[in-house]
Amino acid sequence: DAGITQSPRYKITETGRQVTLMCHQTWSHSYMFWYRQDLGHGLRLIYYSAAADITDKGEVPDGYVVSRSKTENFPLTLESATRSQTSVYFCASIAPTNTGELFFGEGSRLTVL
Amino acid sequence: SQQGEEDPQALSIQEGENATMNCSYKTSINNLQWYRQNSGRGLVHLILIRSNEREKHSGRLRVTLDTSKKSSSLLITASRAADTASYFCATSRGGFKTIFGAGTRLFVKA
Repeated sequence: DAGITQSPRYKITETGRQVTLMCHQTWSHSYMFWYRQDLGHGLRLIYYSAAADITDKGEVPDGYVVSRSKTENFPLTLESATRSQTSVYFCASIAPTNTGELFFGEGSRLTVL
Repeated sequence: SQQGEEDPQALSIQEGENATMNCSYKTSINNLQWYRQNSGRGLVHLILIRSNEREKHSGRLRVTLDTSKKSSSLLITASRAADTASYFCATSRGGFKTIFGAGTRLFVKA
């Protein structure tokens, strides 16, 4: 299927564990993004990537690591999960038409116990 | 910190009525976008308005932008129960970094 696929859709983990959320896009868009969504905060940008091997911090990068070895994949890793990282995580990409329109995945709901 | 702030936080209307949501932002922008999110789903792009535009239409959607007041509004005319969702404004200053507001939750009663 064309689009952005996130996995897992739901994950429960414990404090201190490492968790990786996967994001795969089929369009070969250059720009990809990770957002977290929490009640009262809307969506906050964690990290973004302009191309393979080029990543940069967003508003709330602490506690997260990203990589982009291939254009189509943009995994987000929580190296040592904390309860404050319980959230819904969205991956997105931008079309190369310069409209700025973001295409979102369906989200990954992470609970840290 | 959030760039956009939507108002109201929540809105409940009857089917057939118009729904107006407002967005204020803090710094200069290149464009402003509105997105919709159904419960449990990802966001879907609705409309984009550039900083040199004042109004834009798309179907039942009308967006206005006032750069002097750093504000935008989204009007949904003749609302339907299926319009029930959260609506977010998002701004870009340059490049492709897009910042979202906290959203307005719209409930349309049938």
